[in-house]
Amino acid sequence: DIQVTQSPSSLSASVGDRVTITCRATQSITSFLNWYQQKPGKAPKLLIYAASNLQSGVPSRFSGSGSGTDFTLTIGSLQPEDFATYYCQQSYSTPLTFGQGTKVEIK
Amino acid sequence: QVQLVQSGAEVKKPGASVKVSCKASGYTFNSYGINWVRQAPGQGLEWMGWISAYTGNTIYAQKLQGRVTMTTDTSTSTAYMEVRSLRSDDTAVYYCARGLRLDYAAPFHYWGQGTLVTVSS
Repeated sequence: DIQVTQSPSSLSASVGDRVTITCRATQSITSFLNWYQQKPGKAPKLLIYAASNLQSGVPSRFSGSGSGTDFTLTIGSLQPEDFATYYCQQSYSTPLTFGQGTKVEIK
Repeated sequence: QVQLVQSGAEVKKPGASVKVSCKASGYTFNSYGINWVRQAPGQGLEWMGWISAYTGNTIYAQKLQGRVTMTTDTSTSTAYMEVRSLRSDDTAVYYCARGLRLDYAAPFHYWGQGTLVTVSS
């Protein structure tokens, strides 16, 4: 099974900060990497697919990069509505696997 | 607009079975796959499996193989997920999610609202 590991597991940041979350896979997954945002009590929301493609309707302050085993989600300027937990997910092979999550909290 | 509406919360005893439904609307049901994902309280996301609404083909997570069955009813545009021999560690919110495409690798674009399944004696 391909494991994906996110870092950090949590972070504190202020509105306006630039935030970077990384995701590392245990083997190459080319660009089969997706990012989701989840707020408490809600279903996850797709932000980025295929490593760098912004899902329709998602603000342009979100961006994704990487290929192979190393990937990054960047929030260009953190907004109040961005405080949430973020998950990466590999869809290269089954079982599809998620990272453990990164909780972004208000500093 | 695309909607996935799941059945309501369930409380089950250990050893029982639960069947969760996911009714789709707003798109051609058999043109996409449905994934099932669960989330234990305070924990991360766990992929359970995928079903093609076109062929009925399934792929299950190995750890659930033998205890889970995913089906679809194209006449009602509804997907179902059944877990048998429930244990306390099956307590979770269960989500259905439709992919961007038909195949299992499609990113999960639309999600149901979640169904809480509690397993307790």
